[in-house]
This record gives sequence, structure tokens and C-alpha cells, in this order.
Amino acid sequence: AQSVTQLDSQVPVFEEAPVELRCNYSSSVSVYLFWYVQYPNQGLQLLLKYLSGSTLVKGINGFEAEFNKSQTSFHLRKPSVHISDTAEYFCAVNVGGNTPLVFGKGTRLSVIA
Amino acid sequence: DVKVTQSSRYLVKRTGEKVFLECVQDMDHENMFWYRQDPGLGLRLIYFSYDVKMKEKGDIPEGYSVSREKKERFSLILESASTNQTSMYLCASSRDSYEQYFGPGTRLTVT
Repeated sequence: AQSVTQLDSQVPVFEEAPVELRCNYSSSVSVYLFWYVQYPNQGLQLLLKYLSGSTLVKGINGFEAEFNKSQTSFHLRKPSVHISDTAEYFCAVNVGGNTPLVFGKGTRLSVIA
Repeated sequence: DVKVTQSSRYLVKRTGEKVFLECVQDMDHENMFWYRQDPGLGLRLIYFSYDVKMKEKGDIPEGYSVSREKKERFSLILESASTNQTSMYLCASSRDSYEQYFGPGTRLTVT
């Protein structure tokens, strides 16, 4: 079975600074990887996904992530954060077929003015 | 745009009540899911369904049941609500096994 570990439960960062949210997964087969964002009192929204091809994936709101198969990681990055990026971020993995997404426990990003 | 709607944003129920949470999607997706979200625990899968009248248990099915009589609607049922079922409930749907689309969530409080 696959699993996802988000290494930081909370990440505070100053506005306009860069940020990296870390995600590691475990799986014995090839995976598909996702990052979702949840703003306060809302559902989850897809930020970006890796299904195949280029290991550098660009998403919405200036976020990007890099799939590293050897390190089983899919870290999320943004070069300059804004106050509006304050939210909870979830990494998720799927192995395809009829299997649901497996989510990490989330990382709460707080952007400080 | 895919739209997943949930019947209530906030719900307050008493212990022992039977509770229905409804989820409707408008994109003809085959797959639908119910999660609960609790601080520090992330999203945990309760039940999912790949077809009408079909259901599969997720990681934490105890105390819950589901119903899918129509393709667009997936209901979560708490037969006898308990205080430990106070949580945020999220519904999702997908066309395939990859990207899931989420509803806005129902924050349920059981007193």
C-alpha cells in the first residue's frame, strides 16, 4: 500500500520569501502525484499534478513541484509567497486503476506580512 | 467547470440522531468519495463508490454507511450520531482514478 508523509505540519514564512513544502511517498509501483490547497472554510482545490513526462510540474498561483523518483519526493515550491497563499496544503498519491487518492496529513502555510 | 455540491455547510445534530449528508456532482463522474477531515489527521477515507449501487469501505467506515442510487448523488449516513463524529466531511468525485474534485465541505457538530 502507498503512503504519504508531509514532513512539516506548519511552515511560517515572510511575504515575498521563497517557500518549499516537503512531501515524500512510499509505493512499490509507479505513482501519480498531486498537490491540493485548502483555503479556510473551503474544500480542496487542485494546485498541480504529475502523471508522466517532465518531472517539473507547474501549477496555478505560481506554484511548481518536482518529482524525484530516486528520493520518492514531490516537493512543492514557490519563489515568492503572498499573504493570499496562507492555507493548508495536501500532498496525495495514487497508483491508478480503481484506487482512491491517499493524502498526507497536510502542511499549514502561514505567510507573515 | 466541475461542480460538487454538498447539502449543508454547517450542521448541528444531537447524539443518537440519524444524519444524512448529501453530495451531488454535475459532471457524470463514475467515482465518488467521502472523507472526514480532522486537525492533525488530514483526510481519511470513509467510503467510496465506483458505480451506482456499488460501495467500498475506506479506512474508517465504522459508524457510517452510504447510498448511491443515482450516478450523480452519493449520500453518507450516520445511523446514530456520536460526539466523536464531530468533524468536517468532504465529498469528492472523479472521472478516473486520478484527479478528484471536492465539494465545499460540511462541518458537522454532534452535541
